[in-house]
Amino acid sequence: EVQLVESGGGLVLPGGSLKLSCAGSGFILSGSAVHWVRQASGKGLEWIGRIRDKANNYVTSYAASLKGRFTISRDESKNAACLQMSGLKTEDTAVYYCTRGDFWRFDPWGQGTLVTVSS
Amino acid sequence: QSALTQPPSVSGSPGQSVTISCTGTSSDVGSSNHVSWYQQPPGTAPKLIIYDVSNRPSGVPDRFSGSKSGNTASLTISGLQAEDEGDYYCNSYTTSITWVFGGGTRLTVL
Repeated sequence: EVQLVESGGGLVLPGGSLKLSCAGSGFILSGSAVHWVRQASGKGLEWIGRIRDKANNYVTSYAASLKGRFTISRDESKNAACLQMSGLKTEDTAVYYCTRGDFWRFDPWGQGTLVTVSS
Repeated sequence: QSALTQPPSVSGSPGQSVTISCTGTSSDVGSSNHVSWYQQPPGTAPKLIIYDVSNRPSGVPDRFSGSKSGNTASLTISGLQAEDEGDYYCNSYTTSITWVFGGGTRLTVL
């Protein structure tokens, strides 16, 4: 079964940093683009960004509102993709999902990991 | 990039049909054949139900259909069932090589 599993969420202080990881299971994640999407409690989905695969030079793209604070990378040795977040704000509190970019669609999705930014 | 516009809520009785609209601009929905829809039951991760405007992944019932006209895409669910309740989100690829979601629509089966 093709699955994605996020990890690394938790409680972080405002201004702090956190790195999330997304591991693939049942398929080689390194051959696919990976997107990150977040959802604040009771709110809608927000696209964060994408990283392409090695064949496409790991090109990244980000939502304009988040560019500069969030960085997506890959760890091929772990069949994973990562989301590095810095300068965190209380409004960054959300469930963070990774999802495979299957051409222009998102499938499958991980179960999500909760990030709470609070003092 | 502003979120695509969806109605906050729609409802219908079992067996009826409902349509959810998703309005964007000429920079996203209007210029893209890559509009997708996602279903999110309460407390779960989103699931792909329509891609490239009107295509259904395997396993998705043919009660779900998608279309697009100009800057507006639509998702129609026919023969409503109780299990269809949840939130629905549209998504579009944009001319800026980014993606944008709609604000989401809560479907209630009466």
